[in-house]
Amino acid sequence: AQTVTQSQPEMSVQEAETVTLSCTYDTSENNYYLFWYKQPPSRQMILVIRQEAYKQQNATENRFSVNFQKAAKSFSLKISDSQLGDTAMYFCALGRIYNQGGKLIFGQGTELSVKP
Amino acid sequence: EAQVTQNPRYLITVTGKKLTVTCSQNMNHEYMSWYRQDPGLGLRQIYYSMNVEVTDKGDVPEGYKVSRKEKRNFPLILESPSPNQTSLYFCASSLRQGDQPQHFGDGTRLSIL
Repeated sequence: AQTVTQSQPEMSVQEAETVTLSCTYDTSENNYYLFWYKQPPSRQMILVIRQEAYKQQNATENRFSVNFQKAAKSFSLKISDSQLGDTAMYFCALGRIYNQGGKLIFGQGTELSVKP
Repeated sequence: EAQVTQNPRYLITVTGKKLTVTCSQNMNHEYMSWYRQDPGLGLRQIYYSMNVEVTDKGDVPEGYKVSRKEKRNFPLILESPSPNQTSLYFCASSLRQGDQPQHFGDGTRLSIL
């Protein structure tokens, strides 16, 4: 069975500081994607960053970067220069490339508060 | 604008009163899916569809039905809603099964009293 675990239900960070959100996963597949989604109070699911498992290089998107450790099955999200607009629920998700159901497996979520 | 549209955004109803949440996408996507989001559980897949007239169960299908008569539409039907179906629901689509990322609708908050 595939699982995704986010062990930090809540985190807070001061504006302009850096914060890292943790995610571990379990899968027997070799080809998969990993994602971080942001869910602000508006409830939209916004894709923040994605990583293909076959790529060794860590993905980056502006202030967001990941630390992908395939052997350890770890996929953490680093937010640099945190802004008030980063306040949201963050979900880590796993998607198989060749998948019977095409589904994403989500973690429990981490509620991030950025404080002024 | 490419989008996945869900309606209604909010609904409060009572136990046993049939309801339908609509989902429509304008991207000619073959694959569509429904998720429910509950605190501490993240999002879990309810049903999915790989194309017109092809649907299958996800991880939590009990109490739900779906249909896929047209490519763009994938309604979620609660024939006899119960309080344990109170949740936040998301529809998602992608060009084909397994394509990532999936495009999400804005969510539907259902409260079953």
